[in-house]
Amino acid sequence: GENVEQHPSTLSVQEGDSAVIKCTYSDSASNYFPWYKQELGKRPQLIIDIRSNVGEKKDQRIAVTLNKTAKHFSLHITETQPEDSAVYFCAASIRSGTYKYIFGTGTRLKVLA
Amino acid sequence: DAGVTQSPTHLIKTRGQQVTLRCSPKSGHDTVSWYQQALGQGPQFIFQYYEEEERQRGNFPDRFSGHQFPNYSSELNVNALLLGDSALYLCASSLGLPETQYFGPGTRLLVL
Repeated sequence: GENVEQHPSTLSVQEGDSAVIKCTYSDSASNYFPWYKQELGKRPQLIIDIRSNVGEKKDQRIAVTLNKTAKHFSLHITETQPEDSAVYFCAASIRSGTYKYIFGTGTRLKVLA
Repeated sequence: DAGVTQSPTHLIKTRGQQVTLRCSPKSGHDTVSWYQQALGQGPQFIFQYYEEEERQRGNFPDRFSGHQFPNYSSELNVNALLLGDSALYLCASSLGLPETQYFGPGTRLLVL
């Protein structure tokens, strides 16, 4: 089936702590996994992405890990700051002819100062 | 370099009416995907256009239709509007797939 599960739905952390959001996908042919950050009333903004030929990717305080065998991928944010507070969405590519992206249900991250 | 743009930003319609939403992709992008985002939910895939043809479609009724023009811009049409069609409609563009998609600011549709 075409399904992306995302956990947790809400996450509160103290400023400076790390945050981890996990997603599981169902299609073993999925090969592209982007993460988006959406602030209230704004468009989703791409923050990092990973392809299936890579196990981990980092960009400053943000990293994504991919476990193809288990079909799950995770977003890691270190040294969290109040401006990291937002809703985060994972997505996975699904191939049915051409590709499309299926999104998770989102994680509301609150960074407490 | 202009990003993805959408118009209008907000729209209020009544049940049974029809609506057309517009999207201009990021410069150089040829693929446009449309999503519906209900409050508190993730974007739900409606359909995707490439080379002026609908290439993929999500689980949306035929009331939802679209078009892509030779300049890669796109329209989303919704007929016979229902209250449940109230949502943020997002357009995203990319240079082919599976490649990075960039979202437009969205059109917030309210159906009364």
